[in-house]
Amino acid sequence: EPEVTQTPSHQVTQMGQEVILRCVPISNHLYFYWYRQILGQKVEFLVSFYNNEISEKSEIFDDQFSVERPDGSNFTLKIRSTKLEDSAMYFCASSEGGGPRTYEQYFGPGTRLTVT
Amino acid sequence: AQSVSQHNHHVILSEAASLELGCNYSYGGTVNLFWYVQYPGQHLQLLLKYFSGDPLVKGIKGFEAEFIKSKFSFNLRKPSVQWSDTAEYFCAVNTRSGGGADGLTFGKGTHLIIQP
Repeated sequence: EPEVTQTPSHQVTQMGQEVILRCVPISNHLYFYWYRQILGQKVEFLVSFYNNEISEKSEIFDDQFSVERPDGSNFTLKIRSTKLEDSAMYFCASSEGGGPRTYEQYFGPGTRLTVT
Repeated sequence: AQSVSQHNHHVILSEAASLELGCNYSYGGTVNLFWYVQYPGQHLQLLLKYFSGDPLVKGIKGFEAEFIKSKFSFNLRKPSVQWSDTAEYFCAVNTRSGGGADGLTFGKGTHLIIQP
């Protein structure tokens, strides 16, 4: 069964450094998403991406964040200058385009980002 | 903006007991409703979903959920739980206003422990 994959599984970085989290969505999916979960808190939506542009973003997704689909398979989340409060599990998700299955989002295993 | 409330943060049951996890959402328009499960060390998996039609939906592993529109609720049920159901359960909702691009709004999750 196709799965969303994410790399790395764990990233440690120093405050102020740039990080890029990588995701490979399910191959025939057209919608892509990033979420984060700070330890002990809810899973929070960051951004959705469709047709090579951002479709929706939350208040969390400020100018420090950017997303990109650099090629036909990868979907990346970049945090330009990390802060301590960016420490969280970051989940990538994808969904099909067209019909009810558009709304079914499939999640990757997550990248645990630790900012020191 | 929508919000999701899960009433039980920690639930401990014995094997073969019946389960009901509460979920309420707030949003005045048309929503899609989901339950996700996260087994220890694994990623979020879609348990079941409701888009339209029969308000009683069945998912994997014997789980079901009932959408009660008048109560803005989507409670998860299982008649007889097993030790392997030990996991974190998340209720989530999105709207159809943005097509497939709408992010999910999650509840805080319910940590379910099944004692043998």
